Amino acid sequence: LAKTTQPISMDSYEGQEVNITCSHNNIATNDYITWYQQFPSQGPRFIIQGYKTKVTNEVASLFIPADRKSSTLSLPRVSLSDTAVYYCLVDPSGGSYIPTFGRGTSLIVHP
Amino acid sequence: GAVVSQHPSRVICKSGTSVKIECRSLDFQATTMFWYRQFPKKSLMLMATSNEGSKATYEQGVEKDKFLINHASLTLSTLTVTSAHPEDSSFYICSANSRDRASPEKLFFGSGTQLSVL
Repeated sequence: LAKTTQPISMDSYEGQEVNITCSHNNIATNDYITWYQQFPSQGPRFIIQGYKTKVTNEVASLFIPADRKSSTLSLPRVSLSDTAVYYCLVDPSGGSYIPTFGRGTSLIVHP
Repeated sequence: GAVVSQHPSRVICKSGTSVKIECRSLDFQATTMFWYRQFPKKSLMLMATSNEGSKATYEQGVEKDKFLINHASLTLSTLTVTSAHPEDSSFYICSANSRDRASPEKLFFGSGTQLSVL
């Protein structure tokens, strides 16, 4: 199971772009990268998933370099409501999957 | 997206009593559900993997007799904290796996249960 490493915390200001990078050096060929957001006293919720290059949805973008040993979640123009903990997980596309969370990145957006 | 309903959202109980937490997948069948425990400002810690119709698989260090998991149907898993003590106070989260969905979102989480044992 690929282990993930993220910065423990980040600070930003409203309107800025925030990039959170996750390292997953031993990612396997069939693994996808999935990012989740968690607010206090709530369960995590799905943000975005990707396999390679770039994926974009209405919430965020995910950049994955060719070697796939890292990925970067990009949040455009953050607002106060983006203050949360962000987790990246490595998700095998097939077979049994036991979602294991690392420490996550606590993002604080300041006014 | 799919919905996972977790109840209750908050429970306060006396030491020595048992508490049951329910996790339901409302619009999909979940052959596998996961139970997590989370302490303040900490990450989610996987407690056990619950498979429909079979015994749960517990992570190392999690007492199976303390945390009883039942996954009797494809849409319901329950976690019972038996003889609860103050150290069992925590935020418990369930998630359900829907691997047959075409969308990339396959893991859905409940809203969590805050357990406080007095």
